[in-house]
Amino acid sequence: QKEVEQDPGPLSVPEGAIVSLNCTYSNSAFQYFMWYRQYSRKGPELLMYTYSSGNKEDGRFTAQVDKSSKYISLFIRDSQPSDSATYLCAMTSNTGNQFYFGTGTSLTVIP
Amino acid sequence: NAGVTQTPKFQVLKTGQSMTLQCAQDMNHNSMYWYRQDPGMGLRLIYYSASEGTTDKGEVPNGYNVSRLNKREFSLRLESAAPSQTSVYFCASSQGGLGQGRTEAFFGQGTRLTVV
Repeated sequence: QKEVEQDPGPLSVPEGAIVSLNCTYSNSAFQYFMWYRQYSRKGPELLMYTYSSGNKEDGRFTAQVDKSSKYISLFIRDSQPSDSATYLCAMTSNTGNQFYFGTGTSLTVIP
Repeated sequence: NAGVTQTPKFQVLKTGQSMTLQCAQDMNHNSMYWYRQDPGMGLRLIYYSASEGTTDKGEVPNGYNVSRLNKREFSLRLESAAPSQTSVYFCASSQGGLGQGRTEAFFGQGTRLTVV
């Protein structure tokens, strides 16, 4: 079983839709959770970063962490064509030396 | 502030040739990483360096070597390139040292390597 599971999609939504992206994980030691956005032929860029459980909001983006269920989510409100990208979740522990990534979900927002 | 810089951006090698991918960060981070990204496989860790002077194998280290030259620079070497090493390579860095945990990672723009 992989440490982090992420549905690869692809996901296609109309402009203005609410998008929900999700990851599950197996290691209860994970405390730091990240979402990255990767445009085609570019490097991953950090989108959201949260520590432990709870919600974090940044503009149209909301990250949620449910440690009891080992489940994290990224919500995108009022999605735009410029949100079309691959979204990767990542996580790590307080003492770990590595990050653990999901395989990424490909999102297309149709104008 | 450049962040993480990788060179070269593109490279074509013949089977058996060697090359070194260079990575430098200007964020004073302790940890640096090399990943490869293949379609459907996500990011796979090749090697990492949790602090200056240390390196450790990741998930897919075979066929690669690394050098943590100083705190800023971490290079990846392919001694005898094989077609299976055709991939996009990303360098990343993060704060946090050996056994200290880390927060977020910052990535370079990648090196597209083709081995023919």
